[in-house]
Amino acid sequence: AQKVTQAQTEISVVEKEDVTLDCVYETRDTTYYLFWYKQPPSGELVFLIRRNSFDEQNEISGRYSWNFQKSTSSFNFTITASQVVDSAVYFCALGAVTGRRALTFGSGTRLQVQP
Amino acid sequence: EAGVVQSPRYKIIEKKQPVAFWCNPISGHNTLYWYRQNLGQGPELLIRYENEEAVDDSQLPKDRFSAERLKGVDSTLKIQPAELGDSAVYLCASSLRSAGGDEQYFGPGTRLTVT
Repeated sequence: AQKVTQAQTEISVVEKEDVTLDCVYETRDTTYYLFWYKQPPSGELVFLIRRNSFDEQNEISGRYSWNFQKSTSSFNFTITASQVVDSAVYFCALGAVTGRRALTFGSGTRLQVQP
Repeated sequence: EAGVVQSPRYKIIEKKQPVAFWCNPISGHNTLYWYRQNLGQGPELLIRYENEEAVDDSQLPKDRFSAERLKGVDSTLKIQPAELGDSAVYLCASSLRSAGGDEQYFGPGTRLTVT
């Protein structure tokens, strides 16, 4: 069975602070994909990043960076110099390439960035 | 490029009434998904279509839920009769293929309230 755990239910920071959102996953598959999605108050899930299980290189995109560590089954997301517009619920998800091929989502982390 | 379109955005009905949700995926996307998102949770897959074929409906409560994707494009999800526990956001997503690693693009969702 696949499982994604986002232990941080809610995080509140002040603008310009750095913040890291944790994601731990469980799977028996050797090939899989990991995703991060952002859900702003409008409700639409916005794709942020996808990594496959064979690529452990960290990735940076502007103020966003992702740290993938297979040894600890974690795929953490860091926002540098947070902004009010970053306020949203962030979901980590695990994608299977066999079986159901559906995304298994964590329960999300609500990030509030205060001005 | 137009995104995934869903309607209605909001729906309030009394229990035991029927309700239907409509989804128009991104043009050219063969795979369509319906997810249900309960308050404070991540989305959970209800059904996945590849073209017009429902290839995974194992989590669809078939006693009251039904879905169709005529001509492999638009899709409709129906609940009849609705129960109080069906109150949730119903999300439609589409992807180019169903390879498990493909990005899924989500619509804004339909927020259903059953009273």
